Amino acid sequence: NAGVTQTPKFQVLKTGQSMTLQCAQDMNHEYMSWYRQDPGMGLRLIHYSVGAGITDQGEVPNGYNVSRSTTEDFPLRLLSAAPSQTSVYFCASSLGTGNNEQFFGPGTRLTVL
Amino acid sequence: AQSVAQPEDQVNVAEGNPLTVKCTYSVSGNPYLFWYVQYPNRGLQFLLKYITGDNLVKGSYGFEAEFNKSQTSFHLKKPSALVSDSALYFCAVRVLGGTYKYIFGTGTRLKVLA
Repeated sequence: NAGVTQTPKFQVLKTGQSMTLQCAQDMNHEYMSWYRQDPGMGLRLIHYSVGAGITDQGEVPNGYNVSRSTTEDFPLRLLSAAPSQTSVYFCASSLGTGNNEQFFGPGTRLTVL
Repeated sequence: AQSVAQPEDQVNVAEGNPLTVKCTYSVSGNPYLFWYVQYPNRGLQFLLKYITGDNLVKGSYGFEAEFNKSQTSFHLKKPSALVSDSALYFCAVRVLGGTYKYIFGTGTRLKVLA
């Protein structure tokens, strides 16, 4: 199994540009989520999904959209990039929504100029 | 508000000495608690979790954690630290009640000195 994969690994955007961060998992996990990691702030939940067709907002959803058309994929869209969105983004998945641990992807380092 | 606190930004310990990384939480009801480790330029890796039962939980790489309900704490411990344990450690809590959200602490950098 490849586990959780994320593309791209690095990205530089200009303010106002849009882009999609890709996330895929091959473990048939129901739960998927997106986090951003900023120095001194830990991981903050952006959006999450408990299954195909079901998404919900996390702690910091503004400026981001998600969709979940398949169990495997959970892309994160930046609608109009801002310098405040410069961060490292992690996708994670877990089996079900109970007491299961999350599996994390390697991350995408995004810089918005 | 529900939260997780890791009061120490960094913990330094000599190799071979015991280590403790602290975590306290504030959530409603009985929480599910987790510890993750992050090595440089990598994603987080699961170490251990507390769901119910024995308050002392054993996990990967010789780590263990003690759940203390009265003190609302879930400290990570290891009897003998290794230089290779140096990394960033995160405590997390699964929020119960239908929201399926996880809250992470701000992380503690562990530095094990040879």
